[in-house]
Amino acid sequence: AQSVTQLDSHVSVSEGTPVLLRCNYSSSYSPSLFWYVQHPNKGLQLLLKYTSAATLVKGINGFEAEFKKSETSFHLTKPSAHMSDAAEYFCVVSVASGYNKLIFGAGTRLAVHP
Amino acid sequence: GAVVSQHPSWVICKSGTSVKIECRSLDFQATTMFWYRQFPKQSLMLMATSNEGSKATYEQGVEKDKFLINHASLTLSTLTVTSAHPEDSSFYICSARDLGTYSSYEQYFGPGTRLTVT
Repeated sequence: AQSVTQLDSHVSVSEGTPVLLRCNYSSSYSPSLFWYVQHPNKGLQLLLKYTSAATLVKGINGFEAEFKKSETSFHLTKPSAHMSDAAEYFCVVSVASGYNKLIFGAGTRLAVHP
Repeated sequence: GAVVSQHPSWVICKSGTSVKIECRSLDFQATTMFWYRQFPKQSLMLMATSNEGSKATYEQGVEKDKFLINHASLTLSTLTVTSAHPEDSSFYICSARDLGTYSSYEQYFGPGTRLTVT
């Protein structure tokens, strides 16, 4: 069965410093993986997705993630954090059967300090 | 493009009453829509998968008689919480898959509906 584990429930960085949000996945198939962001009282927004093409995936707002099969990881990074990046981030795997359901990780809350 | 709306954005109802939440794909057709539930400071949990013209598929532990789902058209799915109780208070989020991009596995999410049962 597919699953994702977000290794940190909270991450705190200073503005202008790098961001690293960690995600490990479990899948018996070649997975489709996503990162979504949820700002307070707002809907989910897709940051980026991996669907078996290039292993380094670039997303919106300067975020990128690298799919590493050997490590079963899909960590999200950004070189320089901005105050507006403060939000909840979800790592998500698509179930490779049926209707391609999405399985969400527990989420990582990113705080950005001045 | 790929916009999903939900109505209402928030609703307060009394215990024992029913409330209907609508999910619409505004600029694409969606044969499949999904309903999620999110408790405060928690992740999204899939409740059910809704398919146009057929019965919804519920996840284990979700009461299908309590959470009625109807997907009457390619752009509209509804979730009705019947005989609501305070423990049903939550944030309900829908998503839709674009029929035209079946292979992308991507879902487009609505803004959510906050339900408070008093």
